[in-house]
This record gives sequence, structure tokens and C-alpha cells, in this order.
Amino acid sequence: DARVTQTPRHKVTEMGQEVTMRCQPILGHNTVFWYRQTMMQGLELLAYFRNRAPLDDSGMPKDRFSAEMPDATLATLKIQPSEPRDSAVYFCASGLGPTDTQYFGPGTRLTVL
Amino acid sequence: GEDVEQSLFLSVREGDSSVINCTYTDSSSTYLYWYKQEPGAGLQLLTYIFSNMDMKQDQRLTVLLNKKDKHLSLRIADTQTGDSAIYFCAESMEGYSTLTFGKGTMLLVSP
Repeated sequence: DARVTQTPRHKVTEMGQEVTMRCQPILGHNTVFWYRQTMMQGLELLAYFRNRAPLDDSGMPKDRFSAEMPDATLATLKIQPSEPRDSAVYFCASGLGPTDTQYFGPGTRLTVL
Repeated sequence: GEDVEQSLFLSVREGDSSVINCTYTDSSSTYLYWYKQEPGAGLQLLTYIFSNMDMKQDQRLTVLLNKKDKHLSLRIADTQTGDSAIYFCAESMEGYSTLTFGKGTMLLVSP
């Protein structure tokens, strides 16, 4: 049963610390997405990659967030330095191409104190 | 700009039918999706419909699409307590991977 995995599932950190979230897309999927979910804003697209190349990261605060795909089996989302307003659930999703459905991971719940 | 709207909350009794509604503004939407999110979990794709269809049925789920009114609905027949979750409507355009999500409808099913 192929699925997207994310680590860690929960992260509590203090303001100013660096946070790195990891995602393993479904094997063979070439499109990877990062979303953030909050009560106020709902689901927001932060960034997405196709064939490991970033296509759109306009939803991401550039000064503190960065997203990369070191290889086809790993996507990372880094926040440095973290702030309390970054507290949210961060989801990774993967798909096969432009019109393929997106399959979501279980999310990383981040709390920044 | 793109906008997807849903009602925030729906409460039904077990065994009744549930209808969750969604409206969207982008007439060039090609694919419309329904996702389900259970507490503490990620989004699970339930079903999707192409914009050239007006209905799709999958077991207890029926999706209706009214392109003229840009209205999408999800009907769940014989709703069960296990159907309690947040349901998200989403749209995308042909050739584009990104989805635009609504804020979600919380469905509460009482025994």
C-alpha cells in the first residue's frame, strides 16, 4: 500500500530555532507539494516541485522558509528562524503529473512557542 | 481570482443522506475533487469529476456538477458515524498541478 510519509509527526520548538520537516513521496511520483493548514487560513499551497525542480514557491515566506528535493525520494521544508505564527500542520502531497490526483501524507504538526 | 467556498458545518443523523455543497468561481476549472480529513490525519481523496461530466456515482457517494452555476455537491447516502470528518472541495485547471481548496465542511453524524 503505497503512501506518502512525513517526519516528524509532531514537533514542538522554541521561537528562533530551525525546523526541518521531511517527506517521502510515493515511489514514481514526480510532483511534490507542500501545504500548510491553519484554522484561520485553511489549506495554503507553499511550494511545489516537478521532477525535483521547484515550479512555484510563491506561497512561501522567502525570508525564513526554504524547500528542496535533494533526490526523488526526499523533499524537505525548512524554517529558519521559526516564529509562533508558523504553528500549523504541514502537509506533503505527491502525484504523477499535472492532472494526476494528489495523495497526502499524514502531516507534521508544528508548535512554535 | 480563484475562490472555492463551502458551508462550514453540517449535522445529520446516522442513516440519513448528507449533502455537502461547494461553489467555485473559476470557469476554466477542469477537475473538481472531494477530499476527506479525519481528525489528526491527512487528506484522503474521495472522488473527483471532470468538468465535462455532470454526475458521478461511486458506491454511497454521488457527485453532482452544475457548470452553469459553478456548483458542486457531494451526497453521502446512508451516512454513518464513521463519515464524521471535514470534507474539502478543490479545483484545478488542465495542465496545472496546483489545487485550490475550500475551507472545508465539518460533517457531524450523530447516532
